[in-house]
Amino acid sequence: SAVISQKPSRDICQRGTSLTIQCQVDSQVTMMFWYRQQPGQSLTLIATANQGSEATYESGFVIDKFPISRPNLTFSTLTVSNMSPEDSSIYLCSVITSGNTIYFGEGSWLTVV
Amino acid sequence: AQTVTQSQPEMSVQEAETVTLSCTYDTSESDYYLFWYKQPPSRQMILVIRQEAYKQQNATENRFSVNFQKAAKSFSLKISDSQLGDAAMYFCAYRRGSAGGGADGLTFGKGTHLIIQP
Repeated sequence: SAVISQKPSRDICQRGTSLTIQCQVDSQVTMMFWYRQQPGQSLTLIATANQGSEATYESGFVIDKFPISRPNLTFSTLTVSNMSPEDSSIYLCSVITSGNTIYFGEGSWLTVV
Repeated sequence: AQTVTQSQPEMSVQEAETVTLSCTYDTSESDYYLFWYKQPPSRQMILVIRQEAYKQQNATENRFSVNFQKAAKSFSLKISDSQLGDAAMYFCAYRRGSAGGGADGLTFGKGTHLIIQP
């Protein structure tokens, strides 16, 4: 199994600022992913966080807006840059373990005012 | 690209009854995984059940079972003896398997809001 800790769990941010979300896993994992869940919507994959190389972004998401770091096999960060109210969402970190089981963090609930 | 469709935005069932949530998907891959996740108001994503496409036998986890129809690309979730704690959003999700690259994340359907009537 894997235990995932996300920080912050919740935050209220000012328009135009940036916020970095941290994802810490209690074991080494190869694959880490970041998702966004807008209010009342489903989850959408933002990017795959690759250890030692640039993240792989899905269509509609760009590195300038959502820079991602993956310095080692247990940690990743997602930054939401130059925030607008449309960025108000839950951001979730997810990992896949060697047993091919997928785990999610508890999410970071951002409100942009 | 793969797509996942959940055609029931909301379902309601009496406590102790059985309910079936529908999910269809579209893919050209032969190796993939299908999942049902539960998301209660806490927003935590909880894995309910998982199905490997190469397995013909339908997955079962206690009161939860699936009807996996590979040719029809259908993956429905049956909840038996519904309980009040089952009330949540339920998301169907797809992931490509290792044979197809395997580096993908999950593709989710839009979700079904399940209401349990006491």
